[in-house]
Amino acid sequence: NAGVTQTPKFQVLKTGQSMTLQCAQDMNHEYMSWYRQDPGMGLRLIHYSVGAGITDQGEVPNGYNVSRSTTEDFPLRLLSAAPSQTSVYFCASSNLAGPETQYFGPGTRLLVL
Amino acid sequence: AQTVTQSQPEMSVQEAETVTLSCTYDTSESDYYLFWYKQPPSRQMILVIRQEAYKQQNATENRFSVNFQKAAKSFSLKISDSQLGDAAMYFCAYRSPLGGANSKLTFGKGITLSVRP
Repeated sequence: NAGVTQTPKFQVLKTGQSMTLQCAQDMNHEYMSWYRQDPGMGLRLIHYSVGAGITDQGEVPNGYNVSRSTTEDFPLRLLSAAPSQTSVYFCASSNLAGPETQYFGPGTRLLVL
Repeated sequence: AQTVTQSQPEMSVQEAETVTLSCTYDTSESDYYLFWYKQPPSRQMILVIRQEAYKQQNATENRFSVNFQKAAKSFSLKISDSQLGDAAMYFCAYRSPLGGANSKLTFGKGITLSVRP
């Protein structure tokens, strides 16, 4: 049971570098999302997608891009990393409607120096 | 926009005792879903329990139960017979019933629960 997978688990970047956080799910979920978790802030929504080819911004989208070319994959791109993007990033997926549980990946810890 | 408030940043409980974690929320919707997630030191987000607002009966899952007060917009989590493995951060979350682009979870800031042996 793979569920939601994320890579890498941990990454160190220098300011200005770019990288892509990978997320994949094998549950055929339409809805996928990215959250960031910061101390004392809970989890905040960065971007989300309701299906292949459809993405939209969440609460804190600045500095991040996403795309959804397949149902399974939802990568998050940092174009030019900043220290303010130091955080733990979670990918989640669920069906679109009803009280559907969102399933979370194990998280990616990102440190931007 | 919906908001979720967890006003207690930390709580502590003696092993085998009962503890209640508080959560309040604000919404103009009449139907919605509420969740409690557990995040142990491994950082994995684990669903503990969920409540559908149209259901009057409080949800229970083994040692975990909720006290859902719709009029007061309160959704507290009770952990009975606390165990050392219950030590974690707990998040309360809200989800709209509208689905689609409204499928996001709105989280509280979380509460850190420690369990004393």
